[in-house]
Amino acid sequence: GAVVSQHPSRVICKSGTSVKIECRSLDFQATTMFWYRQFPKQSLMLMATSNEGSKATYEQGVEKDKFLINHASLTLSTLTVTSAHPEDSSFYICSALKGVNEQFFGPGTRLTVL
Amino acid sequence: QQPVQSPQAVILREGEDAVINCSSSKALYSVHWYRQKHGEAPVFLMILLKGGEQKGHDKISASFNEKKQQSSLYLTASQLSYSGTYFCGTEETGTASKLTFGTGTRLQVTL
Repeated sequence: GAVVSQHPSRVICKSGTSVKIECRSLDFQATTMFWYRQFPKQSLMLMATSNEGSKATYEQGVEKDKFLINHASLTLSTLTVTSAHPEDSSFYICSALKGVNEQFFGPGTRLTVL
Repeated sequence: QQPVQSPQAVILREGEDAVINCSSSKALYSVHWYRQKHGEAPVFLMILLKGGEQKGHDKISASFNEKKQQSSLYLTASQLSYSGTYFCGTEETGTASKLTFGTGTRLQVTL
């Protein structure tokens, strides 16, 4: 199997606070993980590629200082939304790359910023 | 620019067939298909690699025409469990496994 977990599944926070989301590959090692954002009734938009032991690669238009990514081990990547604002409210999904090109997705984290 | 899927939405009765198309403007290395149910993460269905692959999985199959930069997903004898939004994810040549997701196709299967 290929199981990816995310924690927390839901988070509600006040505007201005920071939120950390964890993504773990439970039964395989993943040197590469991806972070996506999905707004209601829209497609998944890639935010960044997270590589173990090196800096993340951000997509155009994604603020690296606002969305901090750390891939500290072969099974864990974290996304920290710093100084969150209501417009950051979204469904954040990670995926882990198994093998050459198969991505397995975590269950997602629904972030609501009040 | 994200791949365009057609149709945007389709309603089927149980047992009917459907075809979902995915068209890209870029040269593709592979196409991935996912199904997502409301409030959940996408579930991997299959991957098709460059070379004109066709694959089948139970009553769901797909084809990939890299010359036309198109892929199609075929759902036969649809079941209620097939309901959800289907996304293609395209991997461009030389982009190190990055996927660009299509616009999505909402499928509803009814009794």
